[in-house]
Amino acid sequence: DAGVIQSPRHEVTEMGQEVTLRCKPISGHNSLFWYRQTMMRGLELLIYFNNNVPIDDSGMPEDRFSAKMPNASFSTLKIQPSEPRDSAVYFCASSSGTSLVTQYFGPGTRLLVL
Amino acid sequence: DQQVKQNSPSLSVQEGRISILNCDYTNSMFDYFLWYKKYPAEGPTFLISISSIKDKNEDGRFTVFLNKSAKHLSLHIVPSQPGDSAVYFCAALNSGGYQKVTFGTGTKLQVIP
Repeated sequence: DAGVIQSPRHEVTEMGQEVTLRCKPISGHNSLFWYRQTMMRGLELLIYFNNNVPIDDSGMPEDRFSAKMPNASFSTLKIQPSEPRDSAVYFCASSSGTSLVTQYFGPGTRLLVL
Repeated sequence: DQQVKQNSPSLSVQEGRISILNCDYTNSMFDYFLWYKKYPAEGPTFLISISSIKDKNEDGRFTVFLNKSAKHLSLHIVPSQPGDSAVYFCAALNSGGYQKVTFGTGTKLQVIP
């Protein structure tokens, strides 16, 4: 079974550029989460979708961040414009509707903004 | 405001000995707790969980202990193996809400052969 798929795995960009991270959740899962991992704050929830609808976006840092889920098999997280402090590992996770507790994580996208 | 705290960023243990990873939480509404394990270049994977109605849950070499009055939980690994070397995240949630999982900052465990 394919797990959660994220692309790209690594992204290096310059400050001010637009960055788009992509995620394909596990088939049949109807909840999707975007997390950011930093040394100081650990894993922070950025946004949570249920049935393609954003339920909780209180973790989105600011207006430079946006996320979409146009269908059950695809989601994007966009940063525009990017800043050096956005450098982190971004994880996408999914879970089935019966439980949000056990989430399945993708391998992450390591973002470096110069 | 970090509601789930892992105050030890790293821990080194000899192979065969016990590893004890600690976690503290501040939100009294949390009633379900999880540990995730993360290897380099991979996403976290679920390891073990415990409900607040229990004070201990065991799965093979892994045992999680919960002390609700102290708002403290710990993960014990016995015996520790080199393959256990990873970052361990403690997480908590309120099962009565939409079950938002709040993670700690992680503890990097190194098991020395």
